[in-house]
Amino acid sequence: DTEVTQTPKHLVMGMTNKKSLKCEQHMGHRAMYWYKQKAKKPPELMFVYSYEKLSINESVPSRFSPECPNSSLLNLHLHALQPEDSALYLCASSQDWATGLQETQYFGPGTRLLVL
Amino acid sequence: SQQGEEDPQALSIQEGENATMNCSYKTSINNLQWYRQNSGRGLVHLILIRSNEREKHSGRLRVTLDTSKKSSSLLITASRAADTASYFCATDGFVLTGGGNKLTFGTGTQLKVEL
Repeated sequence: DTEVTQTPKHLVMGMTNKKSLKCEQHMGHRAMYWYKQKAKKPPELMFVYSYEKLSINESVPSRFSPECPNSSLLNLHLHALQPEDSALYLCASSQDWATGLQETQYFGPGTRLLVL
Repeated sequence: SQQGEEDPQALSIQEGENATMNCSYKTSINNLQWYRQNSGRGLVHLILIRSNEREKHSGRLRVTLDTSKKSSSLLITASRAADTASYFCATDGFVLTGGGNKLTFGTGTQLKVEL
């Protein structure tokens, strides 16, 4: 199984709502990532988890809260978002760099988020 | 700031023609990758070239890397309508002490292949 799945595909939320994005992979990858992508722009890294620990936070506002419950799952909890947070949110995974294996990242299809 | 700048920003060609996209970057890298993204979807890895390699092929794809000029090119030969997508280069020069790697994406080239 070489697939990263993301749910939901689309999400519309108000600025006072709390919602969560989910990502799952069953490739045994130990690094997982959240990216934000605006229209016609490249993906921007938000968070990296390695072995279920937060490895990097790219100065993301606290209204975005990541969680890695186990090695296959990655969540992004959303609270009090702003309209400018509307974007495509991409999840990715890769094998552990420390083993020297595979720098390739495998991406999910994304969740298109609209904040009203 | 963006590590990679790509040109052209947009490219429109006829089916069967070759498409060439260029990527320039600013700092030392371990490797450079190319990804494709169909409209509004996830990215798909195409090819990885390491810093000690100069050229690599995969099917209809040919990638070159010139580390002295900090640039790479992606050539798609005999293009098809299905190649219509955005193409991003991504550099990996950043080792995360906790594991994982940090890709920095270029600005992207939007390729349209017309019948």
